Amino acid sequence: GENVEQHPSTLSVQEGDSAVIKCTYSDSASNYFPWYKQELGKRPQLIIDIRSNVGEKKDQRIAVTLNKTAKHFSLHITETQPEDSAVYFCAASSYGQNFVFGPGTRLSVLP
Amino acid sequence: DAGITQSPRHKVTETGTPVTLRCHQTENHRYMYWYRQDPGHGLRLIHYSYGVKDTDKGEVSDGYSVSRSKTEDFLLTLESATSSQTSVYFCAISALAGDNEQFFGPGTRLTVL
Repeated sequence: GENVEQHPSTLSVQEGDSAVIKCTYSDSASNYFPWYKQELGKRPQLIIDIRSNVGEKKDQRIAVTLNKTAKHFSLHITETQPEDSAVYFCAASSYGQNFVFGPGTRLSVLP
Repeated sequence: DAGITQSPRHKVTETGTPVTLRCHQTENHRYMYWYRQDPGHGLRLIHYSYGVKDTDKGEVSDGYSVSRSKTEDFLLTLESATSSQTSVYFCAISALAGDNEQFFGPGTRLTVL
């Protein structure tokens, strides 16, 4: 079945710097790759997603890139702010089946 | 937040007892999911439903069963709870299949002693 790896497990950046989180997946049939943000004690919430027919997607300070050949995708956050501090999860899905999340990255933005 | 609730929000039970968690939605979404969240493992899919009385297993379904008799309710049952099932359980809903945004419920913290 699908396996999703995520790196790094923890990441600390200075406020205003950029943060990059990388994920790899194993199933070449996966075609949907969302990113979720989970603040402490809260539920996960979608922040951005990308489908396999697109190489890059941006939404203000966040962007996601996808390399289907290498089976990896990345989350980029620019101009980080303290409210970006949270745990971020990537996931991979194949037409709604086999929805698999990565283990998460704890991002800390230092003032 | 989407209209999705979970009950109970917290539960402490003993090994060997049955436990049922309820997920209720007011969005009329077709798809519903149960995940468990444990440190270092992210979210792992237990079971999901693609319609009333239509369910399927996820990655970690052993020891769990589900039922969906109405569009709005998705029940997760631990027939005989074990300490390894201590976790935070999240329900999620989506209007379309998995390649569409999933909205998560607030979670249920279950402790099995």
